[in-house]
Amino acid sequence: ETGVTQSPTHLIKTRGQQVTLRCSSQSGHNTVSWYQQALGQGPQFIFQYYREEENGRGNFPPRFSGLQFPNYSSELNVNALELDDSALYLCASSLETTLPTDTQYFGPGTRLTVL
Amino acid sequence: QQPVQSPQAVILREGEDAVINCSSSKALYSVHWYRQKHGEAPVFLMILLKGGEQKGHEKISASFNEKKQQSSLYLTASQLSYSGTYFCGTDYGRLERQLTFGSGTQLTVLP
Repeated sequence: ETGVTQSPTHLIKTRGQQVTLRCSSQSGHNTVSWYQQALGQGPQFIFQYYREEENGRGNFPPRFSGLQFPNYSSELNVNALELDDSALYLCASSLETTLPTDTQYFGPGTRLTVL
Repeated sequence: QQPVQSPQAVILREGEDAVINCSSSKALYSVHWYRQKHGEAPVFLMILLKGGEQKGHEKISASFNEKKQQSSLYLTASQLSYSGTYFCGTDYGRLERQLTFGSGTQLTVLP
């Protein structure tokens, strides 16, 4: 059973550019949640995709968008990058979001640096 | 809305015990505990559901006090491998099971 994988590992962009981050969920999981983790802080919820539909969104502007594909892998897109977007971006997959005991398993993250 | 974790940091000697607290001002549905080592993904430890349930995994256990809206993580006879940052993620019962994380407690276990 493969765990959650993310690509790329590291990324450097300049302000104003666009970036796409990718996540492959754990086998059998149909839900992917994306989090932003600033240095020294806990992860902050961006949004969640459940069976290819957005299923909830945190306090992030519309320039943060996403997709989920039929194989339940997911993309996070960020347009018009700002310096404050520099962070570790984590995705977490879970089996079935409606279960109260649903566990989110995190990938290793993508470290984004905006210059 | 962010849960408050305490202490912010703790340094222990191998074999000592530690308690990490996670408090919320809002009613909790469940609390999820994770440990994150530097440069790595957060690793799931356990889920506590409302109802005061206590769970354990080897020498790490946790409790959930529904009256106080607080969860505590207990690390007994700590090992070097316990070092890392511990996060509690609180679930307020939203459909998407969004987790709201605290700022973390940095635990260092020294030999």
